[in-house]
Amino acid sequence: DAKTTQPTSMDCAEGRAANLPCNHSTISGNEYVYWYRQIHSQGPQYIIHGLKNNETNEMASLIITEDRKSSTLILPHATLRDTAVYYCIVRVAGYNTDKLIFGTGTRLQVFP
Amino acid sequence: GAVVSQHPSRVICKSGTSVKIECRSLDFQATTMFWYRQFPKQSLMLMATSNEGSKATYEQGVEKDKFLINHASLTLSTLTVTSAHPEDSSFYICSARDHSGGAFNEQFFGPGTRLTVL
Repeated sequence: DAKTTQPTSMDCAEGRAANLPCNHSTISGNEYVYWYRQIHSQGPQYIIHGLKNNETNEMASLIITEDRKSSTLILPHATLRDTAVYYCIVRVAGYNTDKLIFGTGTRLQVFP
Repeated sequence: GAVVSQHPSRVICKSGTSVKIECRSLDFQATTMFWYRQFPKQSLMLMATSNEGSKATYEQGVEKDKFLINHASLTLSTLTVTSAHPEDSSFYICSARDHSGGAFNEQFFGPGTRLTVL
């Protein structure tokens, strides 16, 4: 299973872009990068996922390097409600598996 | 997105008793559900994978006789913590996978159940 490494914590000013990095140097060619976030005492929330192309949705953008060894989640205009722990996960896929294995994540604090 | 509910949201029980937690997919069918446990200030730890109509698959180190999982229908999985002890106090979270999305079968998470064992 490919492992991910993320900074333990980051701060971001409200209204600014939050760029959360993730390293996944052992990712396999058919593994996707998923991002989830967990606001305090709630279940995780899906944000975005990608394989090799950059992706964008209403919540965020995902930039994946050409060698796929790292990626960056971008929240273009962070708000106080974006304060959460952000998890970068490489999806383990296989027959009857398809588990999500959570690492330690990045605790993002958005300040006024 | 799809909705997953958990019941109860909080439970306090005495040591030695059993507690059942329900996980329901409200607007989709989930042949696979997952159970996680999260201790304070730690990440989610996958406990087991629950497949409808078959036995659950437990992760290494998780006692299957202590954490009983039943997935009797496509919308309901239950986790029973048997003979609970204070060290079982934790935040239990389930997720359900929507198989209607083709290759991108998303997992949707419930809001979690906080168990406190006195």
